[in-house]
Amino acid sequence: DIRMTQSPASLSASLGETVNIECLASEDIYSDLAWYQQKPGKSPQLLIYNANSLQNGVPSRFSGSGSGTQYSLKINSLQSEDVATYFCQQYNNYLYTFGAGTKLELK
Amino acid sequence: EVQLVESGEGLVQPGSSMKLSCVASGFTFSNYGMNWIRQAPKKGLEWIALIYYDSSSKYYADSVKGRFTISRDNSKNTLYLEMNSLRSEDTAMYYCAGGTGWFAYWGQGTLVTVSS
Repeated sequence: DIRMTQSPASLSASLGETVNIECLASEDIYSDLAWYQQKPGKSPQLLIYNANSLQNGVPSRFSGSGSGTQYSLKINSLQSEDVATYFCQQYNNYLYTFGAGTKLELK
Repeated sequence: EVQLVESGEGLVQPGSSMKLSCVASGFTFSNYGMNWIRQAPKKGLEWIALIYYDSSSKYYADSVKGRFTISRDNSKNTLYLEMNSLRSEDTAMYYCAGGTGWFAYWGQGTLVTVSS
């Protein structure tokens, strides 16, 4: 199975700040990577697919980048509604795997 | 509006069986691969099963292979998960999710608790 190592596990940031979350795959996943946001008590929501494609309706302050084994999610100008846990997920093979998550809180 | 509504929530004993359902609306269900993804309490997400749009292929995580079976009925816009030989570690919120690759659509989840 492809292992997804996500960092940091938790993050505290101020309103208006820029936040970066990293995801490292155990092998090349050829940009077959998605990012999800999960708010407490809610289902996850798709933010980014194909490493850098923004899902319809997702604010443009969210962006994804990366290739090979290294990927990142960037949130510009952090808003209060961005407080959530973020997960990366690879789909390069059919044994899909998620990162362990990054819990984002306001400082 | 896209909706995925899971059902089958409950408390079951270890070793028993249970079947979950997920009814889809608001999109062309028969065109989409469908998945089950679970989340143990206070834990991360674990993908457990995928079925192609036409049921031609099915894939399972090692943790459930041989115990769980995914199926679908496109005439009823419904996805199923048959779970056998349940263990305490199967306790989780179970989500159905639409998509092959990334998951654009998610249900609200149904809670399965395995305990004696």
